[in-house]
Amino acid sequence: ETGVTQTPRHLVMGMTNKKSLKCEQHLGHNAMYWYKQSAKKPLELMFVYSLEERVENNSVPSRFSPECPNSSHLFLHLHTLQPEDSALYLCASSQGLAGPYNEQFFGPGTRLTVL
Amino acid sequence: KNQVEQSPQSLIILEGKNCTLQCNYTVSPFSNLRWYKQDTGRGPVSLTIMTFSENTKSNGRYTATLDADTKQSSLHITASQLSDSASYICVVSGGAGYNKLIFGAGTRLAVHP
Repeated sequence: ETGVTQTPRHLVMGMTNKKSLKCEQHLGHNAMYWYKQSAKKPLELMFVYSLEERVENNSVPSRFSPECPNSSHLFLHLHTLQPEDSALYLCASSQGLAGPYNEQFFGPGTRLTVL
Repeated sequence: KNQVEQSPQSLIILEGKNCTLQCNYTVSPFSNLRWYKQDTGRGPVSLTIMTFSENTKSNGRYTATLDADTKQSSLHITASQLSDSASYICVVSGGAGYNKLIFGAGTRLAVHP
């Protein structure tokens, strides 16, 4: 285990549902990330938080809403999603944002299916 | 455009054999290059990280090389095991205020008995 947990591990939702993904890191890191991983595509960075402040929103549609209440927790609130949003959503954390050895530790991901 | 390209897309080898995965990148400025292993249904786990001045780095049976002049990297797996079956992702970090990671699409490796 990397010290980053994600719940739920699997989620099936309809297009009109509202759900939330949760990420928790037990590493004392200051930065947290949300990534989307679609089949046979590179990981796509969605959001970056540093010290609970959002530092990047990588042109993500507003139907995805992140929340970072403290440096250990990160949420991704979902509403009115589309079937093409079905993917593996990965959370990661790192000690800081900069530096060559600023390694990101990934959680196991949430497999999301939108019907 | 900052890109990371990996080859082959997929690879099947027999247990005990060696293999080499390739990564070409066009990221600039360059900060460091990482190789991750991602098991099915799991998050990526770091194998190696190399900066501009490092040519090679090993982690057990995994050896990564970096040629910063040609912007190429390789990951060599020695004496493959069934547990090596996974996706291997090349990730390049480019300075943009912070170390933004640019991911390759990965090479899916299957090791057969």
